[in-house]
Amino acid sequence: AQSVSQHNHHVILSEAASLELGCNYSYGGTVNLFWYVQYPGQHLQLLLKYFSGDPLVKGIKGFEAEFIKSKFSFNLRKPSVQWSDTAEYFCAVNEGRDDKIIFGKGTRLHILP
Amino acid sequence: DVKVTQSSRYLVKRTGEKVFLECVQDMDHENMFWYRQDPGLGLRLIYFSYDVKMKEKGDIPEGYSVSREKKERFSLILESASTNQTSMYLCASSPSGSPYEQYFGPGTRLTVT
Repeated sequence: AQSVSQHNHHVILSEAASLELGCNYSYGGTVNLFWYVQYPGQHLQLLLKYFSGDPLVKGIKGFEAEFIKSKFSFNLRKPSVQWSDTAEYFCAVNEGRDDKIIFGKGTRLHILP
Repeated sequence: DVKVTQSSRYLVKRTGEKVFLECVQDMDHENMFWYRQDPGLGLRLIYFSYDVKMKEKGDIPEGYSVSREKKERFSLILESASTNQTSMYLCASSPSGSPYEQYFGPGTRLTVT
């Protein structure tokens, strides 16, 4: 069965630090990839998505992610984090055969002011 | 704006009770999903529905059932609540063929005592 692995469960950074959150998936076929974010007390929302084309995708709030097919990875990056980026981040995969999304276990990001 | 609403934000029930969690979406989406969210486990799919009166099991359907009598409404039923069903329950909807457009509700935090 498809699975999604997020390497870090909890990350603590200072403001202006660079961020990279790891994500690997197990499915070998065509995949659609997502990062979702849940800010404290808010709904889960889509941060960015990859379907095809340029493997470097840009999302909201300065986030980007790179799809590396050979590594089955879709890591999330931001060059300079802000206190407002404190949230839980979920990597997710869709196999393209149906509309289901499989989520990773999430990474809690805490930014120190 | 897509709206996914859930009937309760917080719910406390006793072991053995039958529990209904209701979800309503206002965007005429074909797909609806129920997840549970637990710390360190991410989002796990319980059931989903691609159409009225249609349902499919997700990854953790045991102890749950669902009902979709109308397109806009998707109910999750705990036939006999148990303490291990204490969790945050999230409902989501998406248009058919657009898995990236999965919109989430605010969640229902259920405590079973």
